[in-house]
Amino acid sequence: DAGITQSPRHKVTETGTPVTLRCHQTENHRYMYWYRQDPGHGLRLIHYSYGVKDTDKGEVSDGYSVSRSKTEDFLLTLESATSSQTSVYFCAIQGAGADTQYFGPGTRLTVL
Amino acid sequence: AQKITQTQPGMFVQEKEAVTLDCTYDTSDQSYGLFWYKQPSSGEMIFLIYQGSYDEQNATEGRYSLNFQKARKSANLVISASQLGDSAMYFCAMRLSNFGNEKLTFGTGTRLTIIP
Repeated sequence: DAGITQSPRHKVTETGTPVTLRCHQTENHRYMYWYRQDPGHGLRLIHYSYGVKDTDKGEVSDGYSVSRSKTEDFLLTLESATSSQTSVYFCAIQGAGADTQYFGPGTRLTVL
Repeated sequence: AQKITQTQPGMFVQEKEAVTLDCTYDTSDQSYGLFWYKQPSSGEMIFLIYQGSYDEQNATEGRYSLNFQKARKSANLVISASQLGDSAMYFCAMRLSNFGNEKLTFGTGTRLTIIP
């Protein structure tokens, strides 16, 4: 299994509070991704990174920011959580020149 | 923009039968990759199989094969001899193979239930 961990695995928070989700990899892979999964939508890309300090937006990036100061860590921040951000969040990694993305175990976030 | 369509929200199949899960895609690019992932009830996303757009042979991985029909833009997943453990959500995904554009676009998934 690819060495990807996500923390926390579950979080309940209130509207308006900041939230940071962490993705950590031990594979030294170049590319890292944050997706959200909602019923009826499959997985949708929020942000991705193609190297340290190199990030870009995905299709549902509004309300989210990311940072990658080290190869192994990719942080997703909700500056002011809203109920529409209640979702399951997945991190994924991919090596340069590799074909496949491997996913972390997911974080279930509930915003009340 | 690329799009993945999975038209079967749910399927019920008898154990030991073969299963075909449908996936069609839309892209004007010539270079792309197609993926299938399995998501059991425990929630993790498990990579099953990959097909490159220039691969001449259909991909196979154990009981999984990908029926790739490029002209029809379809990439159906075939599971032979289904087992109870195959019950899960299955997602088809596509990636364009351009530098800096390694993102996956997912379909909405098919929930497969294997009946004993």
